[in-house]
Amino acid sequence: AQSVTQLGSHVSVSEGALVLLRCNYSSSVPPYLFWYVQYPNQGLQLLLKYTTGATLVKGINGFEAEFKKSETSFHLTKPSAHMSDAAEYFCAVSDQGGRRALTFGSGTRLQVQP
Amino acid sequence: GAVVSQHPSRVICKSGTSVKIECRSLDFQATTMFWYRQFPKQSLMLMATSNEGSKATYEQGVEKDKFLINHASLTLSTLTVTSAHPEDSSFYICSARNPYEQYFGPGTRLTVT
Repeated sequence: AQSVTQLGSHVSVSEGALVLLRCNYSSSVPPYLFWYVQYPNQGLQLLLKYTTGATLVKGINGFEAEFKKSETSFHLTKPSAHMSDAAEYFCAVSDQGGRRALTFGSGTRLQVQP
Repeated sequence: GAVVSQHPSRVICKSGTSVKIECRSLDFQATTMFWYRQFPKQSLMLMATSNEGSKATYEQGVEKDKFLINHASLTLSTLTVTSAHPEDSSFYICSARNPYEQYFGPGTRLTVT
């Protein structure tokens, strides 16, 4: 069975500050890991994903995440927050190959203060 | 990238009526589609897995007679909420899988009055 834990349901940062959203996973097989962003009343937009290979993954809008197997983590970072980054962020895990549905974390709401 | 559409984007219906939501993969064939439900301020929860030409597989706690899923072709899956009640009001999101990745639709907001 797979599971995802997102620490912190709400994170608030100042514009221009570092964004760090935490995600830990459990999986009995090598996982595929994803970060999605959701704006109010909209669907999911893929920010980035880790499948195999390089553990530091760069995504859209300046976000990146690092897969750390020893820590079972896949934390999302962005060096400098922008007001438009305010949204809900979901970490998700899938079995290798993505054959099954994704298991989502509970989400983290990011607020960006001016 | 691949595109998945959902129709309608939002629907309001009266209690006791049925509502059909369509999920289409526009530029690829999807042997598998997934249906998720998202309640306000909560995460996405998998409802069922839909495979083309076969019966859907429902997650524990999801009533298969209430949420009818039909995956009649490689580009279309439908979710019908039968005899809808206010507690069925939610955001329903589908995803379609090709051999390489899953792609999410924009979601359908269902409000049952």
